[in-house]
Amino acid sequence: DGGITQSPKYLFRKEGQNVTLSCEQNLNHDAMYWYRQDPGQGLRLIYYSQIVNDFQKGDIAEGYSVSREKKESFPLTVTSAQKNPTAFYLCASTTGPSSGNTIYFGEGSWLTVV
Amino acid sequence: AQKITQTQPGMFVQEKEAVTLDCTYDTSDPSYGLFWYKQPSSGEMIFLIYQGSYDQQNATEGRYSLNFQKARKSANLVISASQLGDSAMYFCAMRESHNYGQNFVFGPGTRLSVLP
Repeated sequence: DGGITQSPKYLFRKEGQNVTLSCEQNLNHDAMYWYRQDPGQGLRLIYYSQIVNDFQKGDIAEGYSVSREKKESFPLTVTSAQKNPTAFYLCASTTGPSSGNTIYFGEGSWLTVV
Repeated sequence: AQKITQTQPGMFVQEKEAVTLDCTYDTSDPSYGLFWYKQPSSGEMIFLIYQGSYDQQNATEGRYSLNFQKARKSANLVISASQLGDSAMYFCAMRESHNYGQNFVFGPGTRLSVLP
């Protein structure tokens, strides 16, 4: 089945550690996105990538890093510089113009700092 | 400034009744798209409905319809015949184009509770 797969679903991180959240899509979408969601809040854009080997900072990029070496993959690293990383992280990708460029999401990853 | 405003933090509706969730937006881009997503407690974001800025008719998808009033910059979601499973957070979103491609901006959400 086509879709966006995020792993792990739940992740615990000790303070001072870097962690990487995986996002893989087999939809052949060009653009991919990472959003952060805090409890009871909306989504805030961390990073996005329109094509392979290119990515742009979103509204809250500080303390995060990404790579886009393959079209299918857009991993997010939460670094120790991110002061309050506990949140729900959503990866997304977009369809082409004929489908209204709809954004579709993975199931999300819950990150907790312990 | 907020690009997407959802003024109803929470809404209640009786099962089988219709409910309208409000959304207003702000953009100077002549070509944009408006979306609604449902987020149940599991966290996944489920795409419900899409409206393009040049679409002449309001979008409909089953029990969902989008009341698009372009001059007022409003894109309200109407859910007909509410079901208990409709209880969730609902997010309005807008797609804009810019120099680096496209971006999607989300509102703060409305929590809908369907009462039996």
